[in-house]
Amino acid sequence: KAGVTQTPRYLIKTRGQQVTLSCSPISGHRSVSWYQQTPGQGLQFLFEYFSETQRNKGNFPGRFSGRQFSNSRSEMNVSTLELGDSALYLCASSDDRGQPQHFGDGTRLSIL
Amino acid sequence: LAKTTQPISMDSYEGQEVNITCSHNNIATNDYITWYQQFPSQGPRFIIQGYKTKVTNEVASLFIPADRKSSTLSLPRVSLSDTAVYYCLVVLNSGTYKYIFGTGTRLKVLA
Repeated sequence: KAGVTQTPRYLIKTRGQQVTLSCSPISGHRSVSWYQQTPGQGLQFLFEYFSETQRNKGNFPGRFSGRQFSNSRSEMNVSTLELGDSALYLCASSDDRGQPQHFGDGTRLSIL
Repeated sequence: LAKTTQPISMDSYEGQEVNITCSHNNIATNDYITWYQQFPSQGPRFIIQGYKTKVTNEVASLFIPADRKSSTLSLPRVSLSDTAVYYCLVVLNSGTYKYIFGTGTRLKVLA
């Protein structure tokens, strides 16, 4: 069974731009969660989607948004990028119970 | 909201048993505790999960005391390839899920 796939693996943007990251969950998983990982703040929960609906949300500003499609694939969008948004963005999927979560290898976003 | 803390780093030798503890306050009785392993440039990899007493699988054991204010991941007979960062994840279940990662423990296994 294929694991969680995230694209692209690396991305470089400049301040003020916006970016969209993609995540394909494990087949059969309907829950997709997004996390931000930085050296200073560690792993922080952004939001979770289940059956195309946002089921839970962390404490990030509205510039961070997401969506989920009918095939459970998910995208995360960050608008008006700031230098502090440089991070590894991780996607995780799980079955209907929401756990355990299985992670992709992330998208490393660098803001110049 | 639960807060989870772990030792920043640990050193061990090959073949030894390693125990990594995660402290979590304000955890409800129906919360799961999950442990992950992370290598550089990779996402966290699931190790083990439980919410009370002891759980064991082919790679690790998880001990959760009755007061559930901490949990301990036990890795038997570590090898050099176990050098990684280990995270605990507390899942709060109050109708919806909230996921809170620990601060991470950098384990270095020495030959």
